Amino acid sequence: SAVISQKPSRDICQRGTSLTIQCQVDSQVTMMFWYRQQPGQSLTLIATANQGSEATYESGFVIDKFPISRPNLTFSTLTVSNMSPEDSSIYLCSAAAPNRANLAKNIQYFGAGTRLSVL
Amino acid sequence: AQSVTQPDIHITVSEGASLELRCNYSYGATPYLFWYVQSPGQGLQLLLKYFSGDTLVQGIKGFEAEFKRSQSSFNLRKPSVHWSDAAEYFCAVAPYSGAGSYQLTFGKGTKLSVIP
Repeated sequence: SAVISQKPSRDICQRGTSLTIQCQVDSQVTMMFWYRQQPGQSLTLIATANQGSEATYESGFVIDKFPISRPNLTFSTLTVSNMSPEDSSIYLCSAAAPNRANLAKNIQYFGAGTRLSVL
Repeated sequence: AQSVTQPDIHITVSEGASLELRCNYSYGATPYLFWYVQSPGQGLQLLLKYFSGDTLVQGIKGFEAEFKRSQSSFNLRKPSVHWSDAAEYFCAVAPYSGAGSYQLTFGKGTKLSVIP
């Protein structure tokens, strides 16, 4: 398995500001993902973070609002830009398990999440 | 497109009672199937997974799940619930791919409350 560390664990931010969330994995991983979990809702994939290339965004999410970096195989950041109260959510990072076998690619491990409140 | 349905939003059981959480999926073939648990204030923890083979899979914390192809279901069970099992449970699917597939589609979750 992979251990995922996310920070900050929570933050309260003012409208119009930006917050960068960091995600650190304890081993090299092929793929990292960013999810949003709005209050009382399930997880929605924001984007897939690829090392050495631009992130791949899901429908409804754009790079200007959620820029992502993936500088190496163990680290990624998600920035929530120009925040509004509607961005208040839990943001979770996940990573696919190290590629030891085909099937092992399909296990995602999650960080504890960042609880964001926007005033 | 694939989808996951967890029909029960909230379930309350007494400690020591048995538990079954339902999950149905919609997909053209057999996907990879997962159950995750999210305790209050925590991230998601993988309980168990099904890729192929034996349709009854064992997971951590005494949980098991049974894949039924004919019903497109992957229900989670536990014979005796403990108070610490109170959490939200998410069923997820990923499309089957020989090359490996990463994207998960989650159900809306079932919140489990346990009465002492």
